Amino acid sequence: GQQVMQIPQYQHVQEGEDFTTYCNSSTTLSNIQWYKQRPGGHPVFLIQLVKSGEVKKQKRLTFQFGEAKKNSSLHITATQTTDVGTYFCAGDGGYQKVTFGIGTKLQVIP
Amino acid sequence: NAGVMQNPRHLVRRRGQEARLRCSPMKGHSHVYWYRQLPEEGLKFMVYLQKENIIDESGMPKERFSAEFPKEGPSILRIQQVVRGDSAAYFCASSSGQGVANTEAFFGQGTRLTVV
Repeated sequence: GQQVMQIPQYQHVQEGEDFTTYCNSSTTLSNIQWYKQRPGGHPVFLIQLVKSGEVKKQKRLTFQFGEAKKNSSLHITATQTTDVGTYFCAGDGGYQKVTFGIGTKLQVIP
Repeated sequence: NAGVMQNPRHLVRRRGQEARLRCSPMKGHSHVYWYRQLPEEGLKFMVYLQKENIIDESGMPKERFSAEFPKEGPSILRIQQVVRGDSAAYFCASSSGQGVANTEAFFGQGTRLTVV
């Protein structure tokens, strides 16, 4: 079945440093989604990428979908303490079943 | 438009009891997913349902766990004869499922099950 791998699992950064998490699927995806879960909270949808090579930005967050539609990345520029949480990627293999990666837990040291 | 509603938010059960977790999807959403999350871990897929149908239950333990999404009413995740290892946060998510570009999932706040 479809597998979505995400690395790293944990990341500690100093406030102001950049952060990147990577997502790889074992199969070609129809789309990829990113979610953020704050400590003690529930996952919240951030963005969806559909097109091959697509790049989208949300303020300090940059999302990229690979040319082969099998990988994606989320990059945060100049992290802030409000960025703390777990970032999940989720892939839709075309059957409308969304498979989540294990998540990258980001800690930002003030 | 209310979001995904899960209840109860917290549930305590003794070993051997049954746990029933409810999920009302967003209005207009006919696709429901259940996930389990252990402390400090990621989301583990359990089951994917559409109205009156189980589409994929590959993540559900074969015994004691069942799920349904009836024509009327919320989706129910049922755990029979709970054990300590069932303690976790159970999240429900729903999506409209209409087209490949509209499968973003909206999550409920979860039910935190504690088995004592």
